[in-house]
Amino acid sequence: AQSVSQHNHHVILSEAASLELGCNYSYGGTVNLFWYVQYPGQHLQLLLKYFSGDPLVKGIKGFEAEFIKSKFSFNLRKPSVQWSDTAEYFCAVKRDSSASKIIFGSGTRLSIRP
Amino acid sequence: DADVTQTPRNRITKTGKRIMLECSQTKGHDRMYWYRQDPGLGLRLIYYSFDVKDINKGEISDGYSVSRQAQAKFSLSLESAIPNQTALYFCATSDTTGGNTEAFFGQGTRLTVV
Repeated sequence: AQSVSQHNHHVILSEAASLELGCNYSYGGTVNLFWYVQYPGQHLQLLLKYFSGDPLVKGIKGFEAEFIKSKFSFNLRKPSVQWSDTAEYFCAVKRDSSASKIIFGSGTRLSIRP
Repeated sequence: DADVTQTPRNRITKTGKRIMLECSQTKGHDRMYWYRQDPGLGLRLIYYSFDVKDINKGEISDGYSVSRQAQAKFSLSLESAIPNQTALYFCATSDTTGGNTEAFFGQGTRLTVV
């Protein structure tokens, strides 16, 4: 069965610091990968997604993620965070199959000090 | 108007009561999901449905049941609510177009069982 691991449970950064959140998945076949963001009190919104092609994908609000197939990883990055990036971030994976469901990681809470 | 609508948004219920959470969507998607969110555990899949005649158990289906009344409606029931079912519940939809699409989430239902 597929699974998703997010090793950082809570990350605290100062404004303008660089961000990298780790995500690893367990499925060895072709996958679709996603990062979602949940701002306080809100629902999940898609930040970016990878289906195929260029393994470096760019999303909204200056976020990007790199798919490294050999490492089963899809880490999220941002060069310079802002206080408004305070949120919870979820990595998700779906096998590239019409019969596959979307599985989420446990989330990483990001706190930005102003 | 939201594409994925959940009702109610908040609910407090007593132990042993039956409760139904409803989800409707206007996106025309064939797939619908119910997740629950708990601090530190991320989103866990309760049930999912790939079309009106297809219902599948997720990771944590015990104590829950679902009904897919129409392509646009997917309800979640707690037959006899217990306090550890206190959580934030999210409905989501996705599409099979190209086999590669992300999930779109409702605003969530905060359920408290006392």
